[in-house]
Amino acid sequence: GENVEQHPSTLSVQEGDSAVIKCTYSDSASNYFPWYKQELGKRPQLIIDIRSNVGEKKDQRIAVTLNKTAKHFSLHITETQPEDSAVYFCAASIPPGNQFYFGTGTSLTVIP
Amino acid sequence: GAVVSQHPSRVICKSGTSVKIECRSLDFQATTMFWYRQFPKQSLMLMATSNEGSKATYEQGVEKDKFLINHASLTLSTLTVTSAHPEDSSFYICSAKGLAGGQETQYFGPGTRLLVL
Repeated sequence: GENVEQHPSTLSVQEGDSAVIKCTYSDSASNYFPWYKQELGKRPQLIIDIRSNVGEKKDQRIAVTLNKTAKHFSLHITETQPEDSAVYFCAASIPPGNQFYFGTGTSLTVIP
Repeated sequence: GAVVSQHPSRVICKSGTSVKIECRSLDFQATTMFWYRQFPKQSLMLMATSNEGSKATYEQGVEKDKFLINHASLTLSTLTVTSAHPEDSSFYICSAKGLAGGQETQYFGPGTRLLVL
């Protein structure tokens, strides 16, 4: 199956700074890459996603980039706020079943 | 839209008993649902893919006789942990395939915290 690696495992930034989380995947057949935010004890919430036919996608303060050749994708959060503090997971999805294989997670702390 | 519920949210049981967890898609039909387990401070591990009207597909290393999955309708999948043991204690989360902005993605239930004594 797919193997997704995620770095860093923990990240602390000052409020207003940017945060970048990186993921790599192993299966070139993966074609969908969502990012989820999970607060303690709660369900993962989809925050942004990208498909393999697109190189970059942006939604307000959040952006995702995809490099298919290198098989890596990144999450960029600008102007971070304390409420951005959570665990973030990347995932890769392989057709046809479209199962999600998750990265190991990044615990982001935004320091006020 | 795209709401997924899970029941129960929390369960405590004795070792050797079986526990059933329900996952429902409330406002959409889901031909495919997925079951994950998550240990504290760890990632979500895919256990199995649940397909309506057919047998579930289990990931390598997941015992299908231990974790019984039934997807009886387009809005309901159940996971039964049979003869539960303390090492089965975990956070179990389901997800359902649905559409967001015209694109297919997965929506997660709120999770079920299982504690086996």
